[in-house]
Amino acid sequence: EVVLTQSPATLSLSPGERATLSCRASQSVSNYLAWYQHKPGQAPRLLIYDASNRATGIPDRFSGNGSGTDFTLTISSLEPEDFAVYYCHQRFNWPPLTFGGGTKVEIK
Amino acid sequence: QVQLVESGGGVVQPGRSLRLSCAASGFTFSRFGMHWVRQAPGKGLEWVAVIWYDGSDNHYADSVKGRFTISRDDSKNTLYLQMNSLRVEDTAVYYCARDYGPIDYWGQGTQVTVSS
Repeated sequence: EVVLTQSPATLSLSPGERATLSCRASQSVSNYLAWYQHKPGQAPRLLIYDASNRATGIPDRFSGNGSGTDFTLTISSLEPEDFAVYYCHQRFNWPPLTFGGGTKVEIK
Repeated sequence: QVQLVESGGGVVQPGRSLRLSCAASGFTFSRFGMHWVRQAPGKGLEWVAVIWYDGSDNHYADSVKGRFTISRDDSKNTLYLQMNSLRVEDTAVYYCARDYGPIDYWGQGTQVTVSS
């Protein structure tokens, strides 16, 4: 099973600041890595797929990069609606599909 | 637009059964594989099961294998999760989700609470 480790667990930032979230895989997942945004009571939202491709309708302040075992999600300038929990997810080696433990981006 | 609406959650005693449904609309349901993913209180996302677009194959997380069954009815555009021998640790919000390579669309979830 591929274990995904996200860091930090919590990121305290102000609107307008840059957020950098990390996801490390226990073995290579090639570029089959996605990022989701999740707010309480809502459906998770796909942001990035295949490591660096923005999903439909996602603003360009969200970007992803990486391959193999190390990946990053960057939010270039935080908007108020960006404060949420972010999960990485791999579909290279499955079953099982696996998710990271999440990074909570909170308002400082 | 793509919509996934889960239903069937509730409070159930350990050892009992529950069947979840997920009504899909806004896309050709029969062309897509579908997943169930859950989130226990205070925890992250945990994949539960997948069914192929044509129903020819399915897979389960070890934590539910032998107890849960995923199925689909393409004539009703509906995905199901039959949950038997429920345990306290199955308490979670259950989401259905569409497979487009990556999982792209999710429902808003249905709460399942297993408690005596």
